[in-house]
Amino acid sequence: QVQLQESGPGLVKPSQTLSLTCTVSGDSISSDNYYWSWIRQPPGKGLEWIGYIYYSGTTYYNPSLKSRLAISIDTSKNEFSLRVTSVTAADTAVYFCARSTLYQERFDPWGQGTLVTVSS
Amino acid sequence: ETVMTQSPATLSVSPGERATLSCRASQTVYSNLAWYQQKPGQAPRLLIYGASTRATGIPARFSGGGSGTEFTLTISSLQSEDFAVYYCQQYSNWPPLTFGGGTKVEIK
Repeated sequence: QVQLQESGPGLVKPSQTLSLTCTVSGDSISSDNYYWSWIRQPPGKGLEWIGYIYYSGTTYYNPSLKSRLAISIDTSKNEFSLRVTSVTAADTAVYFCARSTLYQERFDPWGQGTLVTVSS
Repeated sequence: ETVMTQSPATLSVSPGERATLSCRASQTVYSNLAWYQQKPGQAPRLLIYGASTRATGIPARFSGGGSGTEFTLTISSLQSEDFAVYYCQQYSNWPPLTFGGGTKVEIK
């Protein structure tokens, strides 16, 4: 059974870089059947897709965030990572990682999520 | 960007009653539509994909319908564990993949 687990700092200062890692267990991140995604949810609000990465390193980003994003993958560690630069309070959210199927980009399963607060 | 609009924002239902949630897309998404359930403090859980296919382990009281721009999620007889927020998500026109704003199903 595949499981995903987010990790990283819970507090980031404004203008700095947010960095998170998602560790995958129970499945190989090198599978050519899946994309590996980041999604976020500001407190009390809805869901926003951030972007995803394929095992080959190909990425797809939300255009609204693209200029500040980088998603990378480390197949040797079976994990993928998110970096968001120049953060503001608007980036405060629970960040989820999730798997989606190639050509059927629904999200299943999800990690439990990690809250990142942007504050000085 | 394909905008997903869910209605109503809040639905008050008694246990055992039927609940029908709506999701509208700003342009056709064919049947590339998923539904998720989210409980407080938890990650969303996939319920339905392909507009009408239940995900593994999802009870038969959950059913999805529609295609194109109009979709519904029906819970035939609400159980206590079904009170939650429900989101739809399109995966036809991307990037970006987009979600609806959610419908909260609360106890009447």
